Amino acid sequence: KNEVEQSPQNLTAQEGEFITINCSYSVGISALHWLQQHPGGGIVSLFMLSSGKKKHGRLIATINIQEKHSSLHITASHPRDSAVYICAVSQGAQKLVFGQGTRLTINP
Amino acid sequence: ETGVTQSPTHLIKTRGQQVTLRCSSQSGHNTVSWYQQALGQGPQFIFQYYREEENGRGNFPPRFSGLQFPNYSSELNVNALELDDSALYLCASSPIENRPDTQYFGPGTRLTVL
Repeated sequence: KNEVEQSPQNLTAQEGEFITINCSYSVGISALHWLQQHPGGGIVSLFMLSSGKKKHGRLIATINIQEKHSSLHITASHPRDSAVYICAVSQGAQKLVFGQGTRLTINP
Repeated sequence: ETGVTQSPTHLIKTRGQQVTLRCSSQSGHNTVSWYQQALGQGPQFIFQYYREEENGRGNFPPRFSGLQFPNYSSELNVNALELDDSALYLCASSPIENRPDTQYFGPGTRLTVL
């Protein structure tokens, strides 16, 4: 079993829909990260969370430390939101442990 | 814009060959981490370099090795390539040792082993 699990693996929606991507982890963490990866491969950091909730534009990330669960929400989704969204956790020093990613496709 | 660059963008090698991938860190960053991302999977930590010394390693065999130079650019070397080494290789630089939450990712090098 992977230490970081995401669901769904693939998600297709229509423009304007509210999107939720889930992440569960099984290890102790110092922080949880949501990252966005476009087809070219480069990764951009969206959020880093250790508790509560963060909002940036149409993106909202929440984390429940007790339940070891985080969600990434996208409001009023747009085709340019189409990308792979990756959840990763920091386990102390040195490295990030990544989930397998959720491929999001928003159709116009 | 992160300022982390990688070269080459794409590379094709055959089994048994050796490959060197390069990463130029963002200005002011003295720590670099390398990750391997197989198709459809999340990245896996290979190793990290801090001030030219290896500073942590994931579950990768010794044929994966690295270097960090005084200007904080970095190389990933893979010897005796295997088909399963085909992947996107990402480097990420950070201004602070042991703080993965400050990492900035490069665009990656896609390696295909035939």
